[in-house]
Amino acid sequence: DAGVIQSPRHEVTEMGQEVTLRCKPISGHNSLFWYRQTMMRGLELLIYFNNNVPIDDSGMPEDRFSAKMPNASFSTLKIQPSEPRDSAVYFCASSYYQGFYGYTFGSGTRLTVV
Amino acid sequence: DQQVKQNSPSLSVQEGRISILNCDYTNSMFDYFLWYKKYPAEGPTFLISISSIKDKNEDGRFTVFLNKSAKHLSLHIVPSQPGDSAVYFCAASNAGNMLTFGGGTRLMVKP
Repeated sequence: DAGVIQSPRHEVTEMGQEVTLRCKPISGHNSLFWYRQTMMRGLELLIYFNNNVPIDDSGMPEDRFSAKMPNASFSTLKIQPSEPRDSAVYFCASSYYQGFYGYTFGSGTRLTVV
Repeated sequence: DQQVKQNSPSLSVQEGRISILNCDYTNSMFDYFLWYKKYPAEGPTFLISISSIKDKNEDGRFTVFLNKSAKHLSLHIVPSQPGDSAVYFCAASNAGNMLTFGGGTRLMVKP
């Protein structure tokens, strides 16, 4: 298995633009998580899906953020409009069940909003 | 309210010595604990875990200790190697539910 695949690896965009981050989880995993890593807050959970259904999105900072999982093999995290404070590394992780067996993380997308 | 805390943002040790990374939690319902290691430009990778029915789990140079009464766990790396330099995250789970992560500790092992 190729692991959790995220794209793009790096994204530089101007303030106000729409940004879409993509994630392909490990086949057979039924839970998917979006995290944001910042110096101040460490690994911050944004949203997680179980069997393609959003379960908890309380970590999504504001309405500018949205996430979808149209099928078991693909998820997107969209920021519209983007702001400089959104600059961070965004990780996607997947697991079988909700975490008992640990998560497998992707390599992350480094987002820079200028 | 942070349920899992790593109070030391960074730690520096000499190669060959012991590294001790600490983690505290507040939720007494947590029953499974994990450590993840993260190198720059990579995602966190699983390192070692421990169930609440144990107080110690060892895997090579890595040992995790759990003190349930103090709600504290620690990761010991002996001997430390320069390749161990990374950010270490502790995480906790309740009955197989989602993991809650600490803020991370950056370990620097000096040659």
